[in-house]
Amino acid sequence: GNSVTQMEGPVTLSEEAFLTINCTYTATGYPSLFWYVQYPGEGLQLLLKATKADDKGSNKGFEATYRKETTSFHLEKGSVQVSDSAVYFCALSSGGSNYKLTFGKGTLLTVNP
Amino acid sequence: DVKVTQSSRYLVKRTGEKVFLECVQDMDHENMFWYRQDPGLGLRLIYFSYDVKMKEKGDIPEGYSVSREKKERFSLILESASTNQTSMYLCASSPGTGGLGYTFGSGTRLTVV
Repeated sequence: GNSVTQMEGPVTLSEEAFLTINCTYTATGYPSLFWYVQYPGEGLQLLLKATKADDKGSNKGFEATYRKETTSFHLEKGSVQVSDSAVYFCALSSGGSNYKLTFGKGTLLTVNP
Repeated sequence: DVKVTQSSRYLVKRTGEKVFLECVQDMDHENMFWYRQDPGLGLRLIYFSYDVKMKEKGDIPEGYSVSREKKERFSLILESASTNQTSMYLCASSPGTGGLGYTFGSGTRLTVV
């Protein structure tokens, strides 16, 4: 079946540091891949997505590249801000139930001034 | 602005009560989902629906039921609330085709006492 494994947190960084949150997956077929962000007290918001191999999703300075050979979709940002403090979820949709997402467990990021 | 609206942000109920959590979307999406989110466990799918009056069990359906009488509304029902159902409940919707991800509501934090 489908599964998503992302690095366990919490991750604590200083402002302007480089961020990487690792995400690897197992899936049937050719999945679409997503990163969601959850700010404190809110629901999840779509941050970026990629629907085929070698695609790069980007938004708000965050990037992730769909790597089929390593089954990975790592999230990166060159310079984090305090406002980026949130929980980040990696997810995929694949297979016959193409509309159903499988989520990782989430990674808590805290950025200190 | 398109959105998914959950009727309550915070709810406190007594053990044994029947609890209704309501979710409405205005995007004409075919698919709707209910998740619960708990620390260390990530998001777990309770039930989902891909059409009016259609429903399918997710990973943890025990103790829950759902109702979808209209396309825009998906209700989660706790038949007899128990303390282990204290959690954050998230509703989401998506269009019929895959690869487009979900839109989430802001969540309902339910406490059962």
